[in-house]
Amino acid sequence: GIQVEQSPPDLILQEGANSTLRCNFSDSVNNLQWFHQNPWGQLINLFYIPSGTKQNGRLSATTVATERYSLLYISSSQTTDSGVYFCAVYTNAGKSTFGDGTTLTVKP
Amino acid sequence: ETGVTQSPTHLIKTRGQQVTLRCSSQSGHNTVSWYQQALGQGPQFIFQYYREEENGRGNFPPRFSGLQFPNYSSELNVNALELDDSALYLCASSFGQARDTEAFFGQGTRLTVV
Repeated sequence: GIQVEQSPPDLILQEGANSTLRCNFSDSVNNLQWFHQNPWGQLINLFYIPSGTKQNGRLSATTVATERYSLLYISSSQTTDSGVYFCAVYTNAGKSTFGDGTTLTVKP
Repeated sequence: ETGVTQSPTHLIKTRGQQVTLRCSSQSGHNTVSWYQQALGQGPQFIFQYYREEENGRGNFPPRFSGLQFPNYSSELNVNALELDDSALYLCASSFGQARDTEAFFGQGTRLTVV
């Protein structure tokens, strides 16, 4: 099956810093989403981005489907950005695969 | 418009028992997918139901089964519970198959098997 690798696994930042999270996938995908998992376990939608670039406030994402990767940018990080970030890919076979996540800690 | 809701939020079961978890899809959605998330890992895809039929399954044994009802709500049933089944179970709903449209998640059910 398709492999999804996220990097880095852990990231520690000072408040106000910028960061880039990466998601590599091993095969063609129909769909890609980025999520933020809150401390209670709920997955919060950040971006639905099978290709191209999108921005939402301090967050933006880019997916280059032909090169099989996606990037999530967080600018001017805040302590509330802390948590685990997941990318998930969806294939034509009707299955979805999540990466193992990036754990972000933003220190005040 | 209501979001995806799951019940119960927590439960504890004994090894060998059976459990049923429930998911109400977001208004207007006709597809539900189920995931198992062990501690420290990403969610693992169990299966997807589209218009009441199973439409895609991950690497889970047959003791994991499901249903989708005419109102598109869904159940996940796990028989013969094992200790390793302890996890957060998440469901997601979408309009159309998740490969084609954005999926939205519920808050999860935390299952502990003792």
